Amino acid sequence: GDSVTQTEGLVTVTEGLPVKLNCTYQTTYLTIAFFWYVQYLNEAPQVLLRSSTDNKRTEHQGFHATLHKSSSSFHLQKSSAQLSDSALYYCALSGFHYVGDNSKLIWGLGTSLVVNP
Amino acid sequence: EAAVTQSPRSKVAVTGGKVTLSCHQTNNHDYMYWYRQDTGHGLRLIHYSYVADSTEKGDIPDGYKASRPSQENFSLILELASLSQTAVYFCASRSGGLNTLYFGAGTRLSVL
Repeated sequence: GDSVTQTEGLVTVTEGLPVKLNCTYQTTYLTIAFFWYVQYLNEAPQVLLRSSTDNKRTEHQGFHATLHKSSSSFHLQKSSAQLSDSALYYCALSGFHYVGDNSKLIWGLGTSLVVNP
Repeated sequence: EAAVTQSPRSKVAVTGGKVTLSCHQTNNHDYMYWYRQDTGHGLRLIHYSYVADSTEKGDIPDGYKASRPSQENFSLILELASLSQTAVYFCASRSGGLNTLYFGAGTRLSVL
């Protein structure tokens, strides 16, 4: 079946250093889009990035991700982590089989990012 | 920015009692969702709806009912609340296709 895998449950990084959160997927959907959502403590998830174009880099708030269909990945990266980036990050896939079909959302389990001083 | 409003924001319920969580969106979104969040389990889909007057079961529907009386409103009903249903509940909506999902602020439910 369709699935999204976030291999790390917890990532710890020192402020100012680069960070990478992994996201891979399996899907039979022909038309897909990917999302990274961020959830700060005691808040609701909110969208951070969205992409549906293969091999195109998408950036927002200093984070970037590139959808690579060849490797079934949509990793999230930032060159210099900030204390304020500490949060829970979800990778999600949206897809459908054919035009007119209702699209589905598949979520990873989330990665908790802790940025230390 | 899409607006999704949940009520109440927090609730304490007794075991065996009935609980209704309400969600209202003002963006003409067709799709609405109820998720449950527990530490270590991520977001788990309870019920969802593609259109008014129709609901679908998600991944963990047992013990929950849903109602979508209009495009704007989507309720989650716990007929007989249990301790295991203590969690944070999020409502969300989006238009169709591959569009972004927008979440409400969440309801923190404690069943005692």
